[in-house]
Amino acid sequence: KNQVEQSPQSLIILEGKNCTLQCNYTVSPFSNLRWYKQDTGRGPVSLTIMTFSENTKSNGRYTATLDADTKQSSLHITASQLSDSASYICVVSGQAGTALIFGKGTTLSVSS
Amino acid sequence: GAGVSQSPSNKVTEKGKDVELRCDPISGHTALYWYRQSLGQGLEFLIYFQGNSAPDKSGLPSDRFSAERTGGSVSTLTIQRTQQEDSAVYLCASSLWDGQPQHFGDGTRLSIL
Repeated sequence: KNQVEQSPQSLIILEGKNCTLQCNYTVSPFSNLRWYKQDTGRGPVSLTIMTFSENTKSNGRYTATLDADTKQSSLHITASQLSDSASYICVVSGQAGTALIFGKGTTLSVSS
Repeated sequence: GAGVSQSPSNKVTEKGKDVELRCDPISGHTALYWYRQSLGQGLEFLIYFQGNSAPDKSGLPSDRFSAERTGGSVSTLTIQRTQQEDSAVYLCASSLWDGQPQHFGDGTRLSIL
């Protein structure tokens, strides 16, 4: 069964600290993996997208890694800011269009 | 605005009523998707439109749900005879074409009393 599992479910960190969010998937065949940030009451916003051949991609303080062999991805946030408080969703695409499989997200709270 | 626009942002209605949710995609985007996000759950795919092709309705949970996309642009999601379990945030996304990054609207929060 195609699944995307994220951990931890929630995380609280102090402003300025780094953190890493995990995503494990069983989706096959695999096309690409995306990380989205969803602020409360808003729609998800794309952070990164990686295909099978890419193993790292950065977007500012966000760095995503992908190990297609172990079917694991991580999202590393450096020097966290209060505005990083949001839900981070891992999305895996098996085939074009409708085969997007969404994780349930990790809720990150950054406190001062 | 240049983003995906959804309306209304919030909708409260009584059980048994019909509701219509609207999505204005980004101009020029040929692919349009509807998702449902329930509390504590991941996004659930509902329906997908690509250009003039027949929509993929495989995610619609029951025949009370339907959607259309007129003129390849605006889309409406209709829920008939609403039930309490329909309460959720309904998100619309569009992309240049299938497989390209999806841009999401802020959703319609639907509450069924």
